[in-house]
Amino acid sequence: DGGITQSPKYLFRKEGQNVTLSCEQNLNHDAMYWYRQDPGQGLRLIYYSQIVNDFQKGDIAEGYSVSREKKESFPLTVTSAQKNPTAFYLCASTSKRQAGNTIYFGEGSWLTVV
Amino acid sequence: ELKVEQNPLFLSMQEGKNYTIYCNYSTTSDRLYWYRQDPGKSLESLFVLLSNGAVKQEGRLMASLDTKARLSTLHITAAVHDLSATYFCAGLNTDKLIFGTGTRLQVFP
Repeated sequence: DGGITQSPKYLFRKEGQNVTLSCEQNLNHDAMYWYRQDPGQGLRLIYYSQIVNDFQKGDIAEGYSVSREKKESFPLTVTSAQKNPTAFYLCASTSKRQAGNTIYFGEGSWLTVV
Repeated sequence: ELKVEQNPLFLSMQEGKNYTIYCNYSTTSDRLYWYRQDPGKSLESLFVLLSNGAVKQEGRLMASLDTKARLSTLHITAAVHDLSATYFCAGLNTDKLIFGTGTRLQVFP
């Protein structure tokens, strides 16, 4: 089945550790996004990418890094510089070729600092 | 820079009643999206609105777009408990997808 797969679903991070969240899509989508959602809040844009080997910072990029080496993959690393990383992380993708295409989301990853 | 605001933030409504959620955006948006989120879950796509005057309907939900007023609405007709969720609108500008604050809808008997 086509879709967006995020892993792991649940992740615990110790203080000072870097962790990487995986996002893979087999929809042949060009654009991919990462969002952070805190409890009871909206979605805030971390990074986005429109093509391979290119990405842009969103509104809250500090303490995060990404790569886009393959069209299908857009991993997010939460670095130790991110002081309050506990949140729900959502990855999304869409095709830019058709204006009416929706933007699809993965199931999300819960990150907790212990 | 695109900013998206929704109101109300919280909506408690009785089954069978009608209500509208409003989504205002600050600058040009290439398209307007509506999503539903259930507690602890990801986002489910409801509508994509592309042009001025666009109207889409699915069941008890109807979305519309007025690009001149920079306003989109999500109208709920004869609400049922299954519609209880948080609803988000989002705008797209220069490839950035920006979400509103969300409207938490609670439908009670």
